[in-house]
Amino acid sequence: QSVLTQPPSVSGAPGQRVTISCTGSSSNIGAGYDAIWYQQFPGTAPKLLLFASTYRPSGVPDRFSGSKSGTSASLAITGLQAEDEADYYCQSYDSSLSGYVFGTGTKVTVL
Amino acid sequence: EVQLVESGGGLVKPGGSLRLSCAASGFTFSSYTMNWVRQAPGKGLEWVSSISSSSSYIYYADSMTGRFIISRDNAKNSLYLQMNSLRAEDTAVYYCAKESPGGDAFDFWGQGTMVTVSS
Repeated sequence: QSVLTQPPSVSGAPGQRVTISCTGSSSNIGAGYDAIWYQQFPGTAPKLLLFASTYRPSGVPDRFSGSKSGTSASLAITGLQAEDEADYYCQSYDSSLSGYVFGTGTKVTVL
Repeated sequence: EVQLVESGGGLVKPGGSLRLSCAASGFTFSSYTMNWVRQAPGKGLEWVSSISSSSSYIYYADSMTGRFIISRDNAKNSLYLQMNSLRAEDTAVYYCAKESPGGDAFDFWGQGTMVTVSS
């Protein structure tokens, strides 16, 4: 069972801005551990999208951005494009579990 | 180019064992912590286990402790996962993932290998 909670789905029209929340607790995001975000297309491996809560690996478009506050983190996609339709997962480290934890996952649909 | 190629998946009966392998190339394997992450069909990602660069530090998710054993051979640029006492709920795609230089993030993933536990 995931300890990071995400909305099951979000949707938006092309060009719009959508945000995905990732709610944790005082033993993970709230303890100061980074939120990491991944993008996954059906049948393929996840791809790193953001690390250290706000940094993008090279090659990731700047329409993807992240933030963190308290026990939560957020991923924002601005200027939504059809190719952004995928599943998105947050991840962090949990000190009470002494291991990594993933979010429940969010499916982004481009209308 | 970083490449991670998993192998060893397949169909196994409940209670059985399986050993997964992950062949790494394109980076200095011996310098990085490596992880296994799994994904049950239609479900989300679940971290399985982590092993530090020199195998000094090993961690498991609670549900895997005592049944799974992670190991690595830096001379062969390979990561392994020995899975014992397999259960139906272990059915998943198993990915090996390289940890980023700063730690915490998984910056490269393999394509995954499917493990099906069924009688």
